[in-house]
Amino acid sequence: QSVLTQPPSVSGAPGQRVTISCTGSSSNIGAGYDVHWYQQLPGTAPKLLIYGNSNRPSGVPDRFSGSKSGTSASLAITGLQAEDEADYYCQSYDSSLSGEGVFGGGTKLTVL
Amino acid sequence: EVQLVQSGAEVKKPGESLKISCKGSGYSFTSYWIGWVRQMPGKGLEWMGIIYPGDSDTRYSPSFQGQVTISADKSISTAYLQWSSLKASDTAMYYCARQSGRYLPFDYWGQGTLVTVSS
Repeated sequence: QSVLTQPPSVSGAPGQRVTISCTGSSSNIGAGYDVHWYQQLPGTAPKLLIYGNSNRPSGVPDRFSGSKSGTSASLAITGLQAEDEADYYCQSYDSSLSGEGVFGGGTKLTVL
Repeated sequence: EVQLVQSGAEVKKPGESLKISCKGSGYSFTSYWIGWVRQMPGKGLEWMGIIYPGDSDTRYSPSFQGQVTISADKSISTAYLQWSSLKASDTAMYYCARQSGRYLPFDYWGQGTLVTVSS
């Protein structure tokens, strides 16, 4: 059971918008630690998708966006494409874990 | 080009020891943290710990403290993850990843090392 809670799965049709939530607490997201998001395509290593709550690394399409408020964060994907079908993970840090890192449980995105 | 290249897949028996590696290139190895992440079969990512090769400062998740050892040899730009006595529950894919700063994200990842522990 991760300290960051994500929905196990979300789905959407091509072209639609989906959001993935990441709910934490006052010892992690609410304590001011940034949230980062990763995309893991089947059979591959994770890839950084969003860093520092809302920043995109070079090469990540602007269809992907992130936000943070209070003890939660969200990843939004607009203009859904078949290639977006993957697992998505949020990551932050937690002061109750000696300030060490923690991942959310992951969300499987299915493009219908 | 930044690259993290991990050692190959391993098949071990319970009780055996193991050390897997992660070699960094294309950047200053001693100026970035290297982290290790576990992914058990069909499961999510788990943050294990990180090391700063510049001074060997090492931090562990409480879940992994005492279960594994993270080390680095800066002379050959290589980080390691080792077990002294493997269990079947250590069967997983293990990724190394680079971190620019203490609370920053993992920006580059290795390809992963599959460890299988079975009698």
